[in-house]
Amino acid sequence: KAGVTQTPRYLIKTRGQQVTLSCSPISGHRSVSWYQQTPGQGLQFLFEYFSETQRNKGNFPGRFSGRQFSNSRSEMNVSTLELGDSALYLCASSSGLMNTEAFFGQGTRLTVV
Amino acid sequence: DAKTTQPPSMDCAEGRAANLPCNHSTISGNEYVYWYRQIHSQGPQYIIHGLKNNETNEMASLIITEDRKSSTLILPHATLRDTAVYYCIVSYDGSGNTGKLIFGQGTTLQVKP
Repeated sequence: KAGVTQTPRYLIKTRGQQVTLSCSPISGHRSVSWYQQTPGQGLQFLFEYFSETQRNKGNFPGRFSGRQFSNSRSEMNVSTLELGDSALYLCASSSGLMNTEAFFGQGTRLTVV
Repeated sequence: DAKTTQPPSMDCAEGRAANLPCNHSTISGNEYVYWYRQIHSQGPQYIIHGLKNNETNEMASLIITEDRKSSTLILPHATLRDTAVYYCIVSYDGSGNTGKLIFGQGTTLQVKP
């Protein structure tokens, strides 16, 4: 069974630009969550989508947004990029049922210059 | 904030058991304890989770104290490939939704030859 796929793996953007990252969850999984990982702040929760609806949201500015499609694939968008947005962005897939494990993708490494 | 406390780092000799402790004194009755690990620059990998009984799978064993205020992850025969950051996580609101994981700083386990 295929794992969680994130594209692209690496990305370089300029300050002020916007970026869209993609995540394809494990087949049959309905929950997709996004995380940001930086050396200073560690792994931080961005948001979770379940059946095309945002179910949870972390403490990030409105420049960070996401959506989920009917096939459970998810995208996250960051607008007006700042240098501090440079990070590893991770996507996690789970069934959405309670007390089940989540599976992470390999992440997208975003560098803002 | 994370509801768990872990030592920042530990060493283990290759071939010996690695015992990683975690304190979660505010855990509520229906909250599970999850363990993930992250090998450098990869996405976190699910290891094991449990409620109150000890659990074992092909990767590790999880021992939860009777009062559930602490737990220990045991890697029975550590190898160099087990060198990673290990995260102990308790669900953030007791709902059992694992779509939102709150990561602490974790324990960096260094397995030495």
